Amino acid sequence: GESVGLHLPTLSVQEGDNSIINCAYSNSASDYFIWYKQESGKGPQFIIDIRSNMDKRQGQRVTVLLNKTVKHLSLQIAATQPGDSAVYFCAEKDAGGGADGLTFGKGTHLIIQP
Amino acid sequence: DAGVIQSPRHEVTEMGQEVTLRCKPISGHNSLFWYRQTMMRGLELLIYFNNNVPIDDSGMPEDRFSAKMPNASFSTLKIQPSEPRDSAVYFCASSLWSGANNEQFFGPGTRLTVL
Repeated sequence: GESVGLHLPTLSVQEGDNSIINCAYSNSASDYFIWYKQESGKGPQFIIDIRSNMDKRQGQRVTVLLNKTVKHLSLQIAATQPGDSAVYFCAEKDAGGGADGLTFGKGTHLIIQP
Repeated sequence: DAGVIQSPRHEVTEMGQEVTLRCKPISGHNSLFWYRQTMMRGLELLIYFNNNVPIDDSGMPEDRFSAKMPNASFSTLKIQPSEPRDSAVYFCASSLWSGANNEQFFGPGTRLTVL
């Protein structure tokens, strides 16, 4: 069936370096993508989103890139900080309209080394 | 704003018992979602409501699971009877559907352990 998955389960980077977390999706009907951050013992927290009519969107220290040709999504975090250590999920929504639920990937654990 | 509120935060029960999880969405939000998170399956959508009406419950695993939303400020997810494989963290999320913004705000979750 359709699914959203992540390439790497764990990513370790040095504090201050940039990190890139990747995500592959298979539902070609998806038109909305979100990155969530989940810290231990907490619920997922919205980071940034992007619609399918865009290739790139920037936030504070974060950038999301969308390549619809290869169905690939990435999250770039600049100048990583210890507080960035968390599990990051990509999620997608089908272009069905309405406030539909999200389909989440399995998650990537980002570890920031001091 | 207090955000999405869930109770209890932790629940330990024995197999066969009824479990009720509660959620208070963010005031003014018109959509509410129940998710389940396990190590094996990740985050899965169970059911969601728009304007208190269940829209899609295809993610509800079995008839043992039921969800209600009697009003805009309260929802319950009930498991009866509970089984050990129901052990997971259950998240409630809410959003204000505006046609363009789908940002969902998650609660802290209820960690359920069924012995």
